Amino acid sequence: GDSVTQMEGPVTLSEEAFLTINCTYTATGYPSLFWYVQYPGEGLQLLLKATKADDKGSNKGFEATYRKETTSFHLEKGSVQVSDSAVYFCALSSYSSASKIIFGSGTRLSIRP
Amino acid sequence: DGGITQSPKYLFRKEGQNVTLSCEQNLNHDAMYWYRQDPGQGLRLIYYSQIVNDFQKGDIAEGYSVSREKKESFPLTVTSAQKNPTAFYLCASSIGGQGIDTQYFGPGTRLTVL
Repeated sequence: GDSVTQMEGPVTLSEEAFLTINCTYTATGYPSLFWYVQYPGEGLQLLLKATKADDKGSNKGFEATYRKETTSFHLEKGSVQVSDSAVYFCALSSYSSASKIIFGSGTRLSIRP
Repeated sequence: DGGITQSPKYLFRKEGQNVTLSCEQNLNHDAMYWYRQDPGQGLRLIYYSQIVNDFQKGDIAEGYSVSREKKESFPLTVTSAQKNPTAFYLCASSIGGQGIDTQYFGPGTRLTVL
């Protein structure tokens, strides 16, 4: 079945550092790919998405490119801030998953001032 | 403002009691979902509904029940049959239930069994 694998955390960086959180997927067909962010004690917010190969999703300085050849959707940000501290979830949805979203296990990110 | 509301934010229950978590959306979405999140873990799907008066079990439906009598509302009941109900519960909705839709989440309800 469809699945998402993302790098385990926690990830701790200093402010203004470059961020990469790796995400790879397994799916039949052509899934849509998502990054969600969860701040402490809150629900999930959609951060960005991409619906076809080579699409780049971007929002709030974060970017991720849908790479079908490597089945990846890595999240990047050039200069992180303390306010980026949160848990990040990679996810996919496809017709084969019958309208469900398949989530990765989440990566906790902590940014030091 | 359109969005998804969940109430209450915190809920305490004694063992053996049923409890109902509220989820309301005014986004005019057809599909709604309930997830459970345990500390340090990802989300697991409990139930989902693609249309009014219809719903399907997710991956961990045992000990839970739902209803979908109105498009806007999808309450979740945690029954006494759920052996380990302490968790963070998230409700979500999407435009349609036929495949690839973005899901939008409520703020969550934290349930603690005393």
